Amino acid sequence: GNSVTQMEGPVTLSEEAFLTINCTYTATGYPSLFWYVQYPGEGLQLLLKATKADDKGSNKGFEATYRKETTSFHLEKGSVQVSDSAVYFCALSDPQSGKLIFGQGTELSVKP
Amino acid sequence: DSGVTQTPKHLITATGQRVTLRCSPRSGDLSVYWYQQSLDQGLQFLIQYYNGEERAKGNILERFSAQQFPDLHSELNLSSLELGDSALYFCASSVEGGGMNTEAFFGQGTRLTVV
Repeated sequence: GNSVTQMEGPVTLSEEAFLTINCTYTATGYPSLFWYVQYPGEGLQLLLKATKADDKGSNKGFEATYRKETTSFHLEKGSVQVSDSAVYFCALSDPQSGKLIFGQGTELSVKP
Repeated sequence: DSGVTQTPKHLITATGQRVTLRCSPRSGDLSVYWYQQSLDQGLQFLIQYYNGEERAKGNILERFSAQQFPDLHSELNLSSLELGDSALYFCASSVEGGGMNTEAFFGQGTRLTVV
């Protein structure tokens, strides 16, 4: 079945450091891929998405490229801020229903 | 603010009891999804309704049920509650019920604590 695997956290970085959170997926067909972010005490917010191979999603300095050949969708940011501290979830959607299958989440902590 | 409203925000109840969680989707969204977030299971899809009809089902226990009403709000009913049902329950909504560009918007969640 479809599944998503993320690198385990927590990840602790200093402000202005480079961020990579790895995400790989297993899927039949061609799902859309997403990164969601969950700030403490809040719901999930869509960070970025990509709907087909080689698409690059970007938002707020974060980027991820849909790599079909490596079945990956790694999240990157060139310079993190303290305000980026949150839990990040990689997800794929079932094309027929739109239901999301999530990775286990990666907690990011950015220190000043 | 995503536009998806969930009530209540917090719920504390005893084992064996029954509770109802409510979700109002964004205006115009026809599809509602329910997810459970727990420490050991992560974020799990429970069930989806589209325009009043069940569209997809995940690992939802038989003790749990849901429905979507004509005004498109949805309720998740949890009965014979067990300690292990303690979790954060999210509702999400989208305009469509599938397709490559389906984008789901999440509510703030209902934190259920079973004691």
